[in-house]
Amino acid sequence: SQTIHQWPATLVQPVGSPLSLECTVEGTSNPNLYWYRQAAGRGLQLLFYSVGIGQISSEVPQNLSASRPQDRQFILSSKKLLLSDSGFYLCAWRSPRQGLYGYTFGSGTRLTVV
Amino acid sequence: SQKIEQNSEALNIQEGKTATLTCNYTNYSPAYLQWYRQDPGRGPVFLLLIRENEKEKRKERLKVTFDTTLKQSLFHITASQPADSATYLCAPQGPRGNTPLVFGKGTRLSVIA
Repeated sequence: SQTIHQWPATLVQPVGSPLSLECTVEGTSNPNLYWYRQAAGRGLQLLFYSVGIGQISSEVPQNLSASRPQDRQFILSSKKLLLSDSGFYLCAWRSPRQGLYGYTFGSGTRLTVV
Repeated sequence: SQKIEQNSEALNIQEGKTATLTCNYTNYSPAYLQWYRQDPGRGPVFLLLIRENEKEKRKERLKVTFDTTLKQSLFHITASQPADSATYLCAPQGPRGNTPLVFGKGTRLSVIA
């Protein structure tokens, strides 16, 4: 069966520090991968998505970046965090071969920038 | 620009009643519409997908309608239970499956015993 892993679950980082959040998917190949952020009291904001290794599309210009070094690995990074980067970060995947199907989300990372 | 509106931020309903949540969209021509449930501190969980040529879709106590003329989807939970309390998100989707989902802000449903 397919599973998605996201870590860490919570993170407290000082302003100006780097960030690396990792997401991995098991039990499938060539998934579409997505990073969303949910700020307090706000909706899900799409940050990045990837349809293959090394292919990254950015939806919102900001100080975050994403990489997909392996088929089932998606990494969200920042060189210098801002206070406004605080939020709940969610990774999701979808199989393009399953036709119409919903996204499967990870359990999320709660990031607090202090 | 594309806009998704979910009727209210919060909806309180008594146990046993039918909860109805609304999702309106503008500047969109979605071929599908998805509904998700999100519990506090958790990722959203996929519930239902409805196609533009389907007027209605059911899954257990859930019913979704899709009116492309009104640009609206209604999400119903019949015989609501306190365990149905959560935030419900809608996501209209274009015909191309690779286009990422854009979500509404959600409606927080509270079912009161």
